[in-house]
Amino acid sequence: EAGVAQSPRYKIIEKRQSVAFWCNPISGHATLYWYQQILGQGPKLLIQFQNNGVVDDSQLPKDRFSAERLKGVDSTLKIQPAKLEDSAVYLCASSLEGSGSTEAFFGQGTRLTVV
Amino acid sequence: RKEVEQDPGPFNVPEGATVAFNCTYSNSASQSFFWYRQDCRKEPKLLMSVYSSGNEDGRFTAQLNRASQYISLLIRDSKLSDSATYLCVVNKYGNKLVFGAGTILRVKS
Repeated sequence: EAGVAQSPRYKIIEKRQSVAFWCNPISGHATLYWYQQILGQGPKLLIQFQNNGVVDDSQLPKDRFSAERLKGVDSTLKIQPAKLEDSAVYLCASSLEGSGSTEAFFGQGTRLTVV
Repeated sequence: RKEVEQDPGPFNVPEGATVAFNCTYSNSASQSFFWYRQDCRKEPKLLMSVYSSGNEDGRFTAQLNRASQYISLLIRDSKLSDSATYLCVVNKYGNKLVFGAGTILRVKS
């Protein structure tokens, strides 16, 4: 079974530029998450989708971050404009729709460096 | 107060040692609990779920104390390959997974 696919793996941009990340979850997984992981910290939830609807985006900096999951399958996360503090690994994860005891599977992440 | 708190460590232990990690969570309505493992520069992967009655998977034992809002992970007979960051994860509601900052384990020969 194919895992969660993310691209690109690495990205270096200058501050104030824009960047987009792509995620393709495991087939059949209704729930999709985007997490931000800063070095030395645990993953922080940015946004959670259930199919193509947003379940939680309370920690998404909406002045600069946006995400969409058209057709309830793959998803993109965009940052515009980027700041130095956005340097982090952006992890996409997916899980089956369920009771909350289901495992979340993570992609390898996109390592973003803002200079 | 953070939603999920862990001792960051690092815990430096010799091979064969027993080591225990603790985690506390703030939301008493949290529904389910997990330990994830994250190797250096890799993605997190599920180690084990944590059940109210306690559960064991080989050398790993997880326990949950809902009254104290406390979760633990015990690793027996530590191996070099156990060196990683262990993330405590709480499902608040609706599959919203909240991660702790992680505890670093280093097993040395």
